[in-house]
Amino acid sequence: NAGVTQTPKFRVLKTGQSMTLLCAQDMNHEYMYWYRQDPGMGLRLIHYSVGEGTTAKGEVPDGYNVSRLKKQNFLLGLESAAPSQTSVYFCASSNTGYEQYFGPGTRLTVT
Amino acid sequence: DAKTTQPPSMDCAEGRAANLPCNHSTISGNEYVYWYRQIHSQGPQYIIHGLKNNETNEMASLIITEDRKSSTLILPHATLRDTAVYYCIADSGGSNYKLTFGKGTLLTVNP
Repeated sequence: NAGVTQTPKFRVLKTGQSMTLLCAQDMNHEYMYWYRQDPGMGLRLIHYSVGEGTTAKGEVPDGYNVSRLKKQNFLLGLESAAPSQTSVYFCASSNTGYEQYFGPGTRLTVT
Repeated sequence: DAKTTQPPSMDCAEGRAANLPCNHSTISGNEYVYWYRQIHSQGPQYIIHGLKNNETNEMASLIITEDRKSSTLILPHATLRDTAVYYCIADSGGSNYKLTFGKGTLLTVNP
């Protein structure tokens, strides 16, 4: 039981490049979330999903897109990366929305 | 979501109880109090939650005042591994199944 895994762990992008972050969970959870965390800040919700095939915007959705084609996977896409998107990205899953299980994070640097 | 107020930092001696306060004076009747922690560079970890009654699990105890305007998370015998940022969240978790993280309290456990 791996819990929540994130791929990749680290990535450096140049401004304008695109990439997709993958989150996978093996707990059969309905809800999945993408957060970003900037230095000295709490977590801010980017997008979330309350079930397979559904997505919704969180607090800071601009510049990101998501997809939940399979229940166990939640993808976060950056179509045209900007330096302001340099951050640590955390994925989480839950069956209640309250007890969320987090992945180890992806550290993204955009130069 | 009710706004919460936490001290930015606290210190505790190893082996002693750590008492982390949280003010949530605008909490409404259907909002729970949740506590998470984030050890350096890792994803947040769920600790405990409660509505009205005090709660205890293997990690911590949660004491909620009778008027529900504040609460205290108690780590009974703090260890160096408890050094982390602790987040207090007051939320109904309701229709959107999501939580809002603030900046939390950095607890440093000293030897």
